Amino acid sequence: AQSVSQHNHHVILSEAASLELGCNYSYGGTVNLFWYVQYPGQHLQLLLKYFSGDPLVKGIKGFEAEFIKSKFSFNLRKPSVQWSDTAEYFCAVPSGNTPLVFGKGTRLSVIA
Amino acid sequence: GAVVSQHPSWVICKSGTSVKIECRSLDFQATTMFWYRQFPKQSLMLMATSNEGSKATYEQGVEKDKFLINHASLTLSTLTVTSAHPEDSSFYICSARDIAGGTTYEQYFGPGTRLTVT
Repeated sequence: AQSVSQHNHHVILSEAASLELGCNYSYGGTVNLFWYVQYPGQHLQLLLKYFSGDPLVKGIKGFEAEFIKSKFSFNLRKPSVQWSDTAEYFCAVPSGNTPLVFGKGTRLSVIA
Repeated sequence: GAVVSQHPSWVICKSGTSVKIECRSLDFQATTMFWYRQFPKQSLMLMATSNEGSKATYEQGVEKDKFLINHASLTLSTLTVTSAHPEDSSFYICSARDIAGGTTYEQYFGPGTRLTVT
């Protein structure tokens, strides 16, 4: 079964700093990859997704992610974070036929 | 589009009682819905896959007699926590796949239901 690793448990950045959150999945073949964000007290929202084509995917709120097949990675990036980006970020991939498997999540705290 | 709702958003119940949580896809049809559980500061753990018109598929370690799932229509799945205990207190999240989504695996998530068992 597919599994997802997010190596950063808690990241603390100052506003305007650049962000990169790591995500690795366990095996290759055709993959669909997702990043979700959960703001404090709110539900999961889709940030971006990769199905095929350009491995550099643009998402909402200035986020992007790059699919690197050789590294089994799908890292999330943002060039300049804002205080409002404080949230929990989850990488997810489908396992088998349907359900999404989530990484443990990375908590991002942005300080002024 | 692609909105999933859950009801209630927050419920407190006494130990030993049962609680039903509804998950609805508001503007699309979903043959498959998923139920996740999220403990504080942890990730989402898949509990079961709910298939319209058939029995749910439960993940290993999830008691099917305790967590009853009914997917009665293409827009509604329910999760009933029977004989609730304090350790069942958690955040329950449902998601749904659009029947028109083809081979994509994108899921749309509900806002979650916070269950507190006293």
